[in-house]
Formats: sequence, C-alpha cells, structure tokens
Amino acid sequence: DVKVTQSSRYLVKRTGEKVFLECVQDMDHENMFWYRQDPGLGLRLIYFSYDVKMKEKGDIPEGYSVSREKKERFSLILESASTNQTSMYLCASSLITGVLETQYFGPGTRLLVL
Amino acid sequence: KQEVTQIPAALSVPEGENLVLNCSFTDSAIYNLQWFRQDPGKGLTSLLLIQSSQREQTSGRLNASLDKSSGRSTLYIAASQPGDSATYLCAVKSTSGTYKYIFGTGTRLKVLA
Repeated sequence: DVKVTQSSRYLVKRTGEKVFLECVQDMDHENMFWYRQDPGLGLRLIYFSYDVKMKEKGDIPEGYSVSREKKERFSLILESASTNQTSMYLCASSLITGVLETQYFGPGTRLLVL
Repeated sequence: KQEVTQIPAALSVPEGENLVLNCSFTDSAIYNLQWFRQDPGKGLTSLLLIQSSQREQTSGRLNASLDKSSGRSTLYIAASQPGDSATYLCAVKSTSGTYKYIFGTGTRLKVLA
C-alpha cells in the first residue's frame, strides 16, 4: 500500500513565523502535490512537483514556497505565516499521468496561525 | 476552465437505504474521474477511479458511473451503513493543464442507525 505521511497532525504558530510542513511518500512517485482545504471552498492546489527540484505553481501559490530535494519528500514553506493561512493542509502523490493516474493523500496537517 | 459541482452539499438517510451522490463537470475533456471519501479531520481515501473510456466501476457496495458527454458522474451506495458516514468528493483530471485535479466541494453524508 502507498503511504503518504505528514510531519504534524496539528500545528499552532504565531503570525510572522516561518512554518515548514513536510510530506514523505514511500512508493517512488514522481508527482507530489500540496493542497489546502477550507470549508465551502474545497481543495485548492498550492504547488505541485513532477520531479526532483521541479515545481509548478498551482491555483493559490501566494505566500507559499516549496522544496523537493529528494524524490520522496515535498516540503511546503510559509515564509511569514498569516492568520488567513489557517487551514487544513493536505499532501498527495501520484505515480503516472494520464488516464490511470490516482492520487494518494496523507492524513493532513491542521494549521492554526494566531 | 473546468468546474466541478456536487449536489447536494449534505445528505442524511436512514440505515439500509440505497443512495446516489452526484457530481457534474463543465469540460468533458477529461482523463479520468475519481471518487474519494474523507472522514472528519482526516485525509482523502480513494474509492473508485473511472477512466474517460469507461462507463462505470464497482467496488463492493459502491458503483460509480460516468457520462462524459453530459458531464456527469454518480456514486451509488447500496444498503448504506452508519460507517458510510463521511464526506464524499469527486475530482476530475482534465486533459488540458497537466498534473491538475479539480475537486468538487463534496457531499457530507450521514447515515442514521
């Protein structure tokens, strides 16, 4: 079974702090994704990566950056956390593109920025 | 731009009922459509994936259908159980715009014992 793990389930940070969210997958997937999920807005794509050191902006990249130094690890960075970044953050990975691509999700990190 | 809609937003049914969840999408140029389950405070679990060339997929008490030309998919749950209570999301992978899945906002299902 594919396993996607996220470093924290719950996180409380102060406004202005730099925040690191880590995601690790154990199935050698090329593609990795970071989403945030908010009530009424659904899942929105922040960034994705299709290979080591490669990244693409999603729909809402402002205020975020990412790092993919190793294939299994995809980090989301909040450079200066703000209260409007309080959300549920979900990481996902997938092996191939096209008709058979299936996304596998981690358990999520609920971030509260005070 | 692809948009995915799920109606209703919430549904409450007695145990044992057969039920249908709906998903509609605006652009029929898709690779596949995936149904997910999300329990409160948890990540998403994939239930079924239907390729664009397929009409339906089945897994146990779940059956998902796809009508690409009309931009619709349904998830049928037979003999619902309290353990089916969760939020169900659909997501489409468009052929335009690589690597992106577009998600609906989900249907929150409660099955009453």
